[in-house]
Amino acid sequence: DTAVSQTPKYLVTQMGNDKSIKCEQNLGHDTMYWYKQDSKKFLKIMFSYNNKELIINETVPNRFSPKSPDKAHLNLHINSLELGDSAVYFCASSRGQEGPREKLFFGSGTQLSVL
Amino acid sequence: GQQVMQIPQYQHVQEGEDFTTYCNSSTTLSNIQWYKQRPGGHPVFLIQLVKSGEVKKQKRLTFQFGEAKKNSSLHITATQTTDVGTYFCAGPTGGFKTIFGAGTRLFVKA
Repeated sequence: DTAVSQTPKYLVTQMGNDKSIKCEQNLGHDTMYWYKQDSKKFLKIMFSYNNKELIINETVPNRFSPKSPDKAHLNLHINSLELGDSAVYFCASSRGQEGPREKLFFGSGTQLSVL
Repeated sequence: GQQVMQIPQYQHVQEGEDFTTYCNSSTTLSNIQWYKQRPGGHPVFLIQLVKSGEVKKQKRLTFQFGEAKKNSSLHITATQTTDVGTYFCAGPTGGFKTIFGAGTRLFVKA
């Protein structure tokens, strides 16, 4: 069983469209994250939820809206997609007990290509 | 804001050669983590260092945390083709936030 699973794996879409990426973890973790990895492999945190509550909200355009219906799920909705949004988006989770001392478990990533 | 700098950006080695990547922080870190990302894959946790001057080994990989807890290194002895990938260090910036270094991409030629 995959610990952190995200769908879809690939997403190709036109500029201006709205799209969503879904993430689920079966590890019983309390904290989930969205990271963006650009073409240079740089990993940047976007959002984090702890037990459905938003705890990290980096400087991200408000076209990006995360939603956590329960602590096992964290989805990312992106409105009005732009070329610069093309990247790999990783979902991750951690236990949520010890903050940044916890190891992160990453999903396999969603490769988003905006044409 | 706090940054975690990592060098080199790329390293090409012949199989059997050693490899080292270095990580430096502008501030003292409570802990540092290392991750490996294979080509086309996702980051996978390798290890966490917490104590000043700590050294940990995993087979051919040696991890060090500096005395001042501002720098760290990952050394691979006698690289193998299976070591190919990008190695990231990551440190806390407060709260639940972990920031990643830019990564060192390792290429191993057989």
